[in-house]
Amino acid sequence: AQSVTQLDSQVPVFEEAPVELRCNYSSSVSVYLFWYVQYPNQGLQLLLKYLSGSTLVKGINGFEAEFNKSQTSFHLRKPSVHISDTAEYFCAVSDQSDMRFGAGTRLTVKP
Amino acid sequence: EAGVTQFPSHSVIEKGQTVTLRCDPISGHDNLYWYRRVMGKEIKFLLHFVKESKQDESGMPNNRFLAERTGGTYSTLKVQPAELEDSGVYFCASRLGDRGTGELFFGEGSRLTVL
Repeated sequence: AQSVTQLDSQVPVFEEAPVELRCNYSSSVSVYLFWYVQYPNQGLQLLLKYLSGSTLVKGINGFEAEFNKSQTSFHLRKPSVHISDTAEYFCAVSDQSDMRFGAGTRLTVKP
Repeated sequence: EAGVTQFPSHSVIEKGQTVTLRCDPISGHDNLYWYRRVMGKEIKFLLHFVKESKQDESGMPNNRFLAERTGGTYSTLKVQPAELEDSGVYFCASRLGDRGTGELFFGEGSRLTVL
């Protein structure tokens, strides 16, 4: 069975600063990795996903993530955040059928 | 095209009462999932339907929870009788295929508060 650990429950940053949200996973089989974002009063929406190929994956809103198999990590990064990036971010791992999520990281961008 | 819709958005009930949550997946999506998030914790898998069949219900907490998907369209999740620890946000998601590469599309969630 797979599992996901998001190492930071809350990340406060100032506007235009870079940010990294950390995610580690464990699985006994090959997996696919996802980052979802939840804005206030909305459902989760997909930011980006890693299926295969290049380990650097680019998503919407300027986010990117890097798959590191040896460290079993899939950290999310953005070089310069905006106020509108304030939301909760969830890392997820999927095998052939089911998807499992981490506990989420609440990103707060301050002016 | 309509997304995944959930009803009600918020339900407040007393311990011992019954609540039924409904999920309408995206039309044509055979795979439907229920998840629950208790405050501050992970989004925990409850169960997975493929059409009307339960593919995996390993995450269902106990027999007070009953999920159905009659006709392979919408799904209901009934909690009877509700306990305090059932409070949380229940998310429904759907996916077109059953391969792990596909994106899950989520509803906005049903927040359940048990007093």
